[in-house]
Amino acid sequence: QLQLQESGPGLVRPSETLSLTCTVSGDSVSNYLYFWGWIRQPPGKGLEWIASIFYGGTTYYNPSLQSRVTISADSSNNEVSLRLTSVRAADTAVYYCARLRSTRYDFWSGYYDRWGQGTLVTVSS
Amino acid sequence: NFMLAQPHSVSESPGKTVTISCTRSSGSIANNYVQWYLQRPGSSPTLVIYEDNQRPSGVPDRFSGSIDSSSNSASLTISGLKTEDEADYYCQSYDSTNQVFGGGTRLTVL
Repeated sequence: QLQLQESGPGLVRPSETLSLTCTVSGDSVSNYLYFWGWIRQPPGKGLEWIASIFYGGTTYYNPSLQSRVTISADSSNNEVSLRLTSVRAADTAVYYCARLRSTRYDFWSGYYDRWGQGTLVTVSS
Repeated sequence: NFMLAQPHSVSESPGKTVTISCTRSSGSIANNYVQWYLQRPGSSPTLVIYEDNQRPSGVPDRFSGSIDSSSNSASLTISGLKTEDEADYYCQSYDSTNQVFGGGTRLTVL
């Protein structure tokens, strides 16, 4: 059974770099059938897609965050990681790892069929 | 870039039918699939409709999705409302450079 487990620092100071890891069990991040992504949700607000990756290394980024975000996948540890630089208070959110499936094998038309439980990241000095 | 507009909240009684709309600001709603997710308080989102009107395994047929090109909007309809349907519902779609979520609709079943 697929499980996605996010982990991160919990608290990050403004201007620093946030690093998050999603450990995948029950599937492989190298599985060519799926993409893997990060979505965030500020407290009391809606969902925002951040970035996604395909097993071959193809990456996709939200244009509004692209300059600060890097997504990567480690097949040996079966993990997907996210780095967000120069964080500010507006980056405070629950960060979700999710698996994307696409019947067209096209990232943009895909849907997130499995989600992790999320990890809360607070940006504060 | 485009946005997906949803009503902030809707409410209906148990056993009734409710429809939640999702209006695309630019670009044709019919050209890009719409997905729907529900999120109960304190929980992660769960997929309830994908590719406009497809239900994942395990989602009851009380949930249905549709597209209306004339209003450039998508709709999620829930029939036979149950108290357990009370949640936030998000639509999601895309263009060639971005995946976008609607702002969410709080469904209250009272």
